[in-house]
Amino acid sequence: QVQLQQSGPGLLKPSQTLYLTCDISGDSISSVTATWNWVRQSPSRGLEWLGRTYYRSRSKWKTDYADSVKARIIVSPDTSNNQFSLQLNSLTPEDTAMYYCAKERDWAGFDSWGQGTLVTVSS
Amino acid sequence: DIQMTQSPSSLSASVGDRVTITCRASQGISNHLSWYQEKPGKAPKLLIYETSTLQSGVSSRFSGSGYGTEFTLTISSLQSEDVATYYCQKYNSAPLTFGGGTKVEIK
Repeated sequence: QVQLQQSGPGLLKPSQTLYLTCDISGDSISSVTATWNWVRQSPSRGLEWLGRTYYRSRSKWKTDYADSVKARIIVSPDTSNNQFSLQLNSLTPEDTAMYYCAKERDWAGFDSWGQGTLVTVSS
Repeated sequence: DIQMTQSPSSLSASVGDRVTITCRASQGISNHLSWYQEKPGKAPKLLIYETSTLQSGVSSRFSGSGYGTEFTLTISSLQSEDVATYYCQKYNSAPLTFGGGTKVEIK
């Protein structure tokens, strides 16, 4: 049973940077049959996939990002602590949302989710 | 990028009704589509992956079908606990885009 535990601040000011981490238990960040994702949810935008990181033995670590945040997002693995992180720069009030980390089983959907972190961007 | 369009955006049906939600992809995505149920204050829950495979533990009231660009989620007999917002998601390649959501209510 995979469990994902999120941590990070919930209140930030415009122009600041969001850092969230997602601790993994019950699986390895280096699994070749999983990808590790960040998703956010807001009333105005619904569910929005932000980005992912994953390991494949030939290509090593890879990342993919949504076009909407590509210029200011970094998703990175931390193999020492079996966790991954989200960095989102240049925050605006439009980034106010519930943020989730999620694991995708190989070609089988996002079957494990973190508990969510409500992030509010306000001056 | 491939866009995912859900319809309707909301619906109201009676307990016991058959409910169908449609998801259309702007380009073909084979069968690489999943469905999620989201309730207020809770993380989304995976219902179906690979278009029609029921996630372990999910009620058999839920079923999925389709291929390529058109997909459906069906609730065979709507129950009060099915009140939620439902999302489709493509995962054939990045970006892993979600549809806009369908809010299901009881009439």
